Amino acid sequence: AQSVTQPDIHITVSEGASLELRCNYSYGATPYLFWYVQSPGQGLQLLLKYFSGDTLVQGIKGFEAEFKRSQSSFNLRKPSVHWSDAAEYFCAVGPSLGSGTYKYIFGTGTRLKVLA
Amino acid sequence: EPEVTQTPSHQVTQMGQEVILRCVPISNHLYFYWYRQILGQKVEFLVSFYNNEISEKSEIFDDQFSVERPDGSNFTLKIRSTKLEDSAMYFCASRMDGVNTEAFFGQGTRLTVV
Repeated sequence: AQSVTQPDIHITVSEGASLELRCNYSYGATPYLFWYVQSPGQGLQLLLKYFSGDTLVQGIKGFEAEFKRSQSSFNLRKPSVHWSDAAEYFCAVGPSLGSGTYKYIFGTGTRLKVLA
Repeated sequence: EPEVTQTPSHQVTQMGQEVILRCVPISNHLYFYWYRQILGQKVEFLVSFYNNEISEKSEIFDDQFSVERPDGSNFTLKIRSTKLEDSAMYFCASRMDGVNTEAFFGQGTRLTVV
């Protein structure tokens, strides 16, 4: 069965420090991978997506993610975190050709706290 | 930029009452979804809808739930007889046809059942 795992429930970093949020997936077909961000009380905003091609993808707000098939990972990174990045981050895998599903599957989320 | 809009943003209802959550997907999108997020928990898939019928549903989506696209623009989720455990944030999403597409989510409706 398809699944997405985010091993870190909470992460705290200092403003200006680098950030890496981990995501591992289990998916039979070629995965289509996403990172969404959710600020408190808000909806889900797409940060970036990976469908194919270059395994390092750039997103909004200075985020990037690297797809590593050998590790079944799609980790999110940012070189220098801003206080406004404090939010919950969700990794998701989307429907792909041959997957037999229409749904997007979300990880449990990682809550990011940024210290001033 | 086109967006998915949901109304109301917050709804309080008494246990046993029926509620209808409304969504206006992005106009050229063909797949529609409802997800829910119980406070502090993960985002859970409820149902997907394509070509005027349910294409997939989760075990959460039992007979108490139904979806409808009553006209060319709205997409609704009805909960027939709400329970306390239905309290959650409900997100509507839509996407274009094809597999290389991302889902766009609305801001959510917070449903509180008292």
